[in-house]
Amino acid sequence: AQSVAQPEDQVNVAEGNPLTVKCTYSVSGNPYLFWYVQYPNRGLQFLLKYITGDNLVKGSYGFEAEFNKSQTSFHLKKPSALVSDSALYFCAVTGANKLTFGGGTRVLVKP
Amino acid sequence: GAGVSQSPRYKVAKRGQDVALRCDPISGHVSLFWYQQALGQGPEFLTYFQNEAQLDKSGLPSDRFFAERPEGSVSTLKIQRTQQEDSAVYLCASSFPGGANVLTFGAGSRLTVL
Repeated sequence: AQSVAQPEDQVNVAEGNPLTVKCTYSVSGNPYLFWYVQYPNRGLQFLLKYITGDNLVKGSYGFEAEFNKSQTSFHLKKPSALVSDSALYFCAVTGANKLTFGGGTRVLVKP
Repeated sequence: GAGVSQSPRYKVAKRGQDVALRCDPISGHVSLFWYQQALGQGPEFLTYFQNEAQLDKSGLPSDRFFAERPEGSVSTLKIQRTQQEDSAVYLCASSFPGGANVLTFGAGSRLTVL
């Protein structure tokens, strides 16, 4: 069975500071890894994905994520956070078609 | 269409009522998924279709939950004899086939069972 863990329920960061949202996963075989963001009363929006190749993946809105196979991690990062980045972030993994999500991390960026 | 459309956006049901939630996927998307998202939690997989075939329904929590996609396009999630624990946001997503493809989600249907 595949699973995703997001160890932090909430991350607080000052605007302009770097942002990191942690994610570890468990899956049989090679993982396909995703990050989605959810704003209030809206569906999930795709940020980025890792399928194969370069371990550093760049995505929308200046976000990036680093795949680390030995640590089974896929942490989301942004060098300089904006207040508008405040939202709920979900890491997800798929092994065979079915996408499994973590519990989510709420990010609060303070001005 | 341009995105995944779900209706109704909000549904209030009395305990014991039946409800039907509709999903209109992106045109050409073969794969369609239903997820249940409780307040403050991550989405939980319910079921998956490829065209009209329901390939995985392992996440449906009970036999009160039923999903169909008879013509391989629009899908309906039906919940019979609703219970309070069914209160959640029900998310529909569609994609091209294959695990590497990005799922596009609808805005969800928020069900409140009183």
